[in-house]
Amino acid sequence: SQELEQSPQSLIVQEGKNLTINCTSSKTLYGLYWYKQKYGEGLIFLMMLQKGGEEKSHEKITAKLDEKKQQSSLHITASQPSHAGIYLCGAHGGNQFYFGTGTSLTVIP
Amino acid sequence: GAVVSQHPSWVICKSGTSVKIECRSLDFQATTMFWYRQFPKQSLMLMATSNEGSKATYEQGVEKDKFLINHASLTLSTLTVTSAHPEDSSFYICSALDAALGMETQYFGPGTRLLVL
Repeated sequence: SQELEQSPQSLIVQEGKNLTINCTSSKTLYGLYWYKQKYGEGLIFLMMLQKGGEEKSHEKITAKLDEKKQQSSLHITASQPSHAGIYLCGAHGGNQFYFGTGTSLTVIP
Repeated sequence: GAVVSQHPSWVICKSGTSVKIECRSLDFQATTMFWYRQFPKQSLMLMATSNEGSKATYEQGVEKDKFLINHASLTLSTLTVTSAHPEDSSFYICSALDAALGMETQYFGPGTRLLVL
């Protein structure tokens, strides 16, 4: 089975600071998804990366899939309290879908 | 964007009763749907993968006789929690895979909160 390890597990940053969350896979990634969630609410799909070296941005969030396609990073620029939540990476492995271990982000105003 | 709905959004039931949760893709056909559960302050856990017209594939540790999944059409999957007990209280989320035009995107439902008394 595929394993997705996220780091850090939790993150507390001051508003306005930049931060990076990593997602490392035990196997080659064929498509990597990033989501954001607040407990009790549905997942919000952020972006999908499919090609090694691909980089996508949405507002102040940028995600990249590395060339070897076993790691992805999510970078938030000038964080805001609205960015707080749990960030999950996800990927298909065979006919199953796996989530990362999650990163809890707290942004202090 | 595509929308996935869940019904009900929350349910309270007595221990020993069965509860059915519906997951619908509203504007696309989904041959594959996923069911997850989440406990407070924990990550989502994939319970099973539901494929239209075939038996669901359950993750290790998930009792298939307790969590019955039916994917009878391309827009509807149901999860039935049979003989629910308080430990089944959780937040259940479904998602549907839209594979149109060769691009796969996963859309999540808003979740169903189950409380078993």
